[in-house]
Amino acid sequence: GAVVSQHPSWVICKSGTSVKIECRSLDFQATTMFWYRQFPKQSLMLMATSNEGSKATYEQGVEKDKFLINHASLTLSTLTVTSAHPEDSSFYICSARRVSYEQYFGPGTRLTVT
Amino acid sequence: QKEVEQNSGPLSVPEGAIASLNCTYSDRGSQSFFWYRQYSGKSPELIMFIYSNGDKEDGRFTAQLNKASQYVSLLIRDSQPSDSATYLCAVRGGNKLVFGAGTILRVKS
Repeated sequence: GAVVSQHPSWVICKSGTSVKIECRSLDFQATTMFWYRQFPKQSLMLMATSNEGSKATYEQGVEKDKFLINHASLTLSTLTVTSAHPEDSSFYICSARRVSYEQYFGPGTRLTVT
Repeated sequence: QKEVEQNSGPLSVPEGAIASLNCTYSDRGSQSFFWYRQYSGKSPELIMFIYSNGDKEDGRFTAQLNKASQYVSLLIRDSQPSDSATYLCAVRGGNKLVFGAGTILRVKS
C-alpha cells in the first residue's frame, strides 16, 4: 500500500511555455500533499504544502504565481510551472501524507526547459 | 529554526557489515521521525518510521530513538551493495517534514 504516482515522469518544454505535473495517491486518501524540488547533488527543497480544497501554502522564496498548485481531491494534486525558463529545470517530487502521518513520495518528474 | 543534522559521509562499509547512520535534531518537541533512502536520480523511499523511545526493527533495519538526547539512528545489518544510497533523516515539525542533508552510504563488495 501507500503508492504515490506522478505524471509525466519526464518532460521537455520550450522556454515560455507552461507544464502541468500530476500527483496521485493510488491506494489511500491524502489530506495533505507536498511539492518538492531537488537540484543535482542537493537535498530536497519544500516548495509548498497543499490541503484538499484549500489554497496551497508556499515556502518563502517560492513564487506562487509561477508555481500553481491545485489540490482538487483527496487523491489528486497538480503543479503547473507557468512561463517556464531554463532555471526551472529540476527534479520535481510530490509527496502525500496519510492520516497516520507517514509521508510517501512519488517517483518524481524531471523537467528540462530548453 | 528547526534543524536536522546528519554527517554527509560517505560512510563506507564492507558487504555483510553493520552500517550505522546517525541524526540529531534541534526541536525537542518533535514527535515523529523517519528514515528515507534515495538512490541517485530517484525519489526518496520511506524505509522506517519511529515515534517512541527505543528500538524498532523491520527486517535488516533497526531505527533507534532517544528523545532525551535528541538523537535518532538507523542500523542496517548484513549490508549489501544494493544498500548503497543516500539516507535522509526527517523529523516532523508541525505540518511538514524537516530533512537532514543526507548521509551517503557505500557498501563495498
